[in-house]
Amino acid sequence: ETGVTQSPTHLIKTRGQQVTLRCSSQSGHNTVSWYQQALGQGPQFIFQYYREEENGRGNFPPRFSGLQFPNYSSELNVNALELDDSALYLCASSLGQGGFMSQETQYFGPGTRLLVL
Amino acid sequence: AQKVTQAQTEISVVEKEDVTLDCVYETRDTTYYLFWYKQPPSGELVFLIRRNSFDEQNEISGRYSWNFQKSTSSFNFTITASQVVDSAVYFCALRRTSYDKVIFGPGTSLSVIP
Repeated sequence: ETGVTQSPTHLIKTRGQQVTLRCSSQSGHNTVSWYQQALGQGPQFIFQYYREEENGRGNFPPRFSGLQFPNYSSELNVNALELDDSALYLCASSLGQGGFMSQETQYFGPGTRLLVL
Repeated sequence: AQKVTQAQTEISVVEKEDVTLDCVYETRDTTYYLFWYKQPPSGELVFLIRRNSFDEQNEISGRYSWNFQKSTSSFNFTITASQVVDSAVYFCALRRTSYDKVIFGPGTSLSVIP
């Protein structure tokens, strides 16, 4: 077990709704990254938070947003849900250096399976 | 541009056979990190190995071994004497040093048949 937890484990929403996914990072880790994994594909990077600031973003629209809290836990918010948002959302924690060379490995949580109807 | 290719979509082997999962990557960075992750049906990505670009030593860990060839931009993963518990999707991944974004390949689904 990696010590990274995510909630909820499963979620069903309808198009147009909003969703919040939560992640608790491994003890001692200050960086959280979020990934979207569609069925049969590899994870795609959404964004990363380091010490409560967004520290890098992938090719996802602004309706994907996030937060990191002082205890380094994090939330992923998705507004105006679309059918294509149905996926496994993975959170990964690591001990980063905020954009500088980082040798630490990312450890992943079990993910949240989101189904948009 | 950064890219990871895993040409083998699905592999099926009989238990106790050896199997090699291929990974080819593209990057213009001179320093980078390569990873292998295992994703069992439960969905959680399990870290297997990290390799720095400046360390081309091959590594063995129990039944697992990794062959890093910088000249061919490959980082192949071999499972010796495969077991049913090895059945999973395996992802090869690349990370630049400038920030922590990890780029994953499409994955190889391995089925080990008893």
